[in-house]
Amino acid sequence: DQQVKQNSPSLSVQEGRISILNCDYTNSMFDYFLWYKKYPAEGPTFLISISSIKDKNEDGRFTVFLNKSAKHLSLHIVPSQPGDSAVYFCAARREPLYNNNDMRFGAGTRLTVKP
Amino acid sequence: GAVVSQHPSRVICKSGTSVKIECRSLDFQATTMFWYRQFPKQSLMLMATSNEGSKATYEQGVEKDKFLINHASLTLSTLTVTSAHPEDSSFYICSAPVPSGIQYFGAGTRLSVL
Repeated sequence: DQQVKQNSPSLSVQEGRISILNCDYTNSMFDYFLWYKKYPAEGPTFLISISSIKDKNEDGRFTVFLNKSAKHLSLHIVPSQPGDSAVYFCAARREPLYNNNDMRFGAGTRLTVKP
Repeated sequence: GAVVSQHPSRVICKSGTSVKIECRSLDFQATTMFWYRQFPKQSLMLMATSNEGSKATYEQGVEKDKFLINHASLTLSTLTVTSAHPEDSSFYICSAPVPSGIQYFGAGTRLSVL
């Protein structure tokens, strides 16, 4: 049961342009969302998160938008840099308040930023 | 951010042998750690939750006797793949959460069973 879906396996953008990575979820109990970045042969690195009480969270070049009614979130990277090339995983879970371990990952989107 | 160390990064073993993978939280304590498995071009699949001082919680379909988990201390969890076979070859990753709920991951272990 794929509760978190990233329907685009890959995305290619030009350096300096915006990268938009999308993620959909089906479980309405999820209320805390995270994006991770992963290089080959390495563990995922935490990038940015958002709680369901917000619809936007920004950290430098990275912004995550949440549309709770549509069960959709997106990660915007602007401007994109070649070093951003990696696989990006979307993850969803219950708020940490509930101390729930049930975090689910999407299949990932491979981003390639061309110089 | 918090640091999670995973060792070894790569192991090649013969079929039938057991392999132990260690996961350590270096600058924080973790009463819970998670073990994931990733197949090529697929997502991270949660295998089990490691609990300090109690038994691990396994996800449906994961063999407890095959993947032994021991949470020896507040900073160490180990995953032992017992009697490994070629189908166990995969990329195994551990993670540990901090109080905010963010999970920090180890670098992963590439297991190849010949």
